[in-house]
Amino acid sequence: SYELSQPPSVSVSPGQTASVTCSADKLGYTYVCWYQQKSGQSPVLVIYQDNKRPSGIPERFSGSNSGNTATLTISGTQAVDEADYYCQAWDGSNYVFGTGTRVTVL
Amino acid sequence: QVQLQESGPGLVKPSETLSLTCTVSGDSVSSGAYYWSWVRQPPGKELEHLGYIYHSGSTNYNPSLYSRITMSVDTSKNQFSLRLKSVTSADTAVYFCAGIIASADLKRGYFRYWGQGTPLTVSS
Repeated sequence: SYELSQPPSVSVSPGQTASVTCSADKLGYTYVCWYQQKSGQSPVLVIYQDNKRPSGIPERFSGSNSGNTATLTISGTQAVDEADYYCQAWDGSNYVFGTGTRVTVL
Repeated sequence: QVQLQESGPGLVKPSETLSLTCTVSGDSVSSGAYYWSWVRQPPGKELEHLGYIYHSGSTNYNPSLYSRITMSVDTSKNQFSLRLKSVTSADTAVYFCAGIIASADLKRGYFRYWGQGTPLTVSS
């Protein structure tokens, strides 16, 4: 099955840039979405189709996808951005989520 | 704005069948704008997509669950449902219903709206 690999954790200082990666073979040939999940809450879409932001999502969230790696970038990270982040893609027969990354704002 | 609300028993015994329902408001399940989906999250683990159903009744299930899973749509109640038979402790999770923006190109799809989730424990 298609596996989307993410680092378990990323730490960032307030105001700095956090980068979360999502890796899989030929990931750049499909579209990647990103979801933010805070503790005890349901996921929230923050990036879709590689680099598009839904209405209401701050401009500090951006995405890219090329080769075997997609990246979620949070510029000027704020304390409210502390959460788990999941990538998601279509593997040809099913929607698949990544392993998840906990972003900690120190 | 589409809103989704899951409902379910909370506790199911091993080997029995799990049944969950998602009530949709803000749009019709028949609109064709969404694939209606179920996602689960075991305690402390990642999200797992279980499958989706379109208003026409066509379905797409996660291959790992193919022999146990059934989804259906009730247009009269504006709901869609999940049935998972022969449950085990591995099925213990929070179950979310979600609306995937529909596209003929499935790789463009994304989970736009989510319910709040309902916890389900499998235990005797």
